[in-house]
Amino acid sequence: DAKTTQPTSMDCAEGRAANLPCNHSTISGNEYVYWYRQIHSQGPQYIIHGLKNNETNEMASLIITEDRKSSTLILPHATLRDTAVYYCIVREGYNFNKFYFGSGTKLNVKP
Amino acid sequence: SQTIHQWPATLVQPVGSPLSLECTVEGTSNPNLYWYRQAAGRGLQLLFYSVGIGQISSEVPQNLSASRPQDRQFILSSKKLLLSDSGFYLCAWGEQEISTEAFFGQGTRLTVV
Repeated sequence: DAKTTQPTSMDCAEGRAANLPCNHSTISGNEYVYWYRQIHSQGPQYIIHGLKNNETNEMASLIITEDRKSSTLILPHATLRDTAVYYCIVREGYNFNKFYFGSGTKLNVKP
Repeated sequence: SQTIHQWPATLVQPVGSPLSLECTVEGTSNPNLYWYRQAAGRGLQLLFYSVGIGQISSEVPQNLSASRPQDRQFILSSKKLLLSDSGFYLCAWGEQEISTEAFFGQGTRLTVV
């Protein structure tokens, strides 16, 4: 069962930062926050994950609130190719790495 | 580097026919393996996961079954397909460690007619 809440859709202008929010108010102390995206008719692509600290990689930044009840994925300079469904996932368990996907946010990057 | 192969990419099958989808992973050993299904316009639903050869756990009751005959091979099967089995099927793998991501194949689009 998905343990996250995301807006259904968002728009972003090309070249601007895209900020995608996620609520996970029931997250427990040993659960990580993961972000994936799915471009139409393709398999989901891993973006980033974190536990407590903010994280940054070549694709995006992940900002997690101090109480860990919400997070924001930031794409610093969105391009048309970033148009996709973005999934925020709270991962359960230590050994099984099961990922439960919610409905995600459809990000539309517009020229 | 690790790669995941899933085939076929698309499949059209009549109701009542059997199904076999195959997934293999290269470049790693003893991975966790997963089958997901995505119905049209919906999110991904975890169907099965496996932590080792012959070890299969089902997440939801359904018309499908999974098997893991080899360490890096995961098979999704059905004896008789239903219309409701149509969807986008995705195989994924992950390392057996605490904080690692799952990597997905490119999926099989199954249409049951």
